[in-house]
Amino acid sequence: GNSVTQMEGPVTLSEEAFLTINCTYTATGYPSLFWYVQYPGEGLQLLLKATKADDKGSNKGFEATYRKETTSFHLEKGSVQVSDSAVYFCALSTGYAGNNRKLIWGLGTSLAVNP
Amino acid sequence: DGGITQSPKYLFRKEGQNVTLSCEQNLNHDAMYWYRQDPGQGLRLIYYSQIVNDFQKGDIAEGYSVSREKKESFPLTVTSAQKNPTAFYLCASTGQGGHEQYFGPGTRLTVT
Repeated sequence: GNSVTQMEGPVTLSEEAFLTINCTYTATGYPSLFWYVQYPGEGLQLLLKATKADDKGSNKGFEATYRKETTSFHLEKGSVQVSDSAVYFCALSTGYAGNNRKLIWGLGTSLAVNP
Repeated sequence: DGGITQSPKYLFRKEGQNVTLSCEQNLNHDAMYWYRQDPGQGLRLIYYSQIVNDFQKGDIAEGYSVSREKKESFPLTVTSAQKNPTAFYLCASTGQGGHEQYFGPGTRLTVT
């Protein structure tokens, strides 16, 4: 079946450090892949997405590339800020547009950035 | 501005009472979803609806009920049959032809 595996947290970094959060998936067909961010006490926000192999999603300095050969979608940022402290979720889509669409979620990775 | 609203932000109930959480969207999205999130945990799908007057159980539907009488609204009732109702509840929606979900701000329910 479909599944998403994220690296366990918490991840603690100093400001301006390089960030990588690993995400690998198992899926049938050709899912779309997503990264969401959740700040404390809030709902989730879509951070970036990729809909086909070799696509790179990017937003706010974050990037992730859809690697079909390694079934991965790792999140990266070159220089993190304190304001990036949050929980990050990787997800993949199932179902067809208009029919039984759902997202399969990773467990989330907590990131804390220290000044 | 278009978006998803959930109310209230915080909700307190006594054990044994049913409680209904509101979710409204003005994005003209056809699909809507309810998730439960426990501290330090991921998201677990409770119910989802692809179209008006139709909905499906998610992974943890026991003790919950929903209705979808209007496209804009997808209320969730937490019944007294739900053994551990205290949690953070998130509503989301998806537009026609899309897969990405857009989330409301959540409702934190505490049952004592």
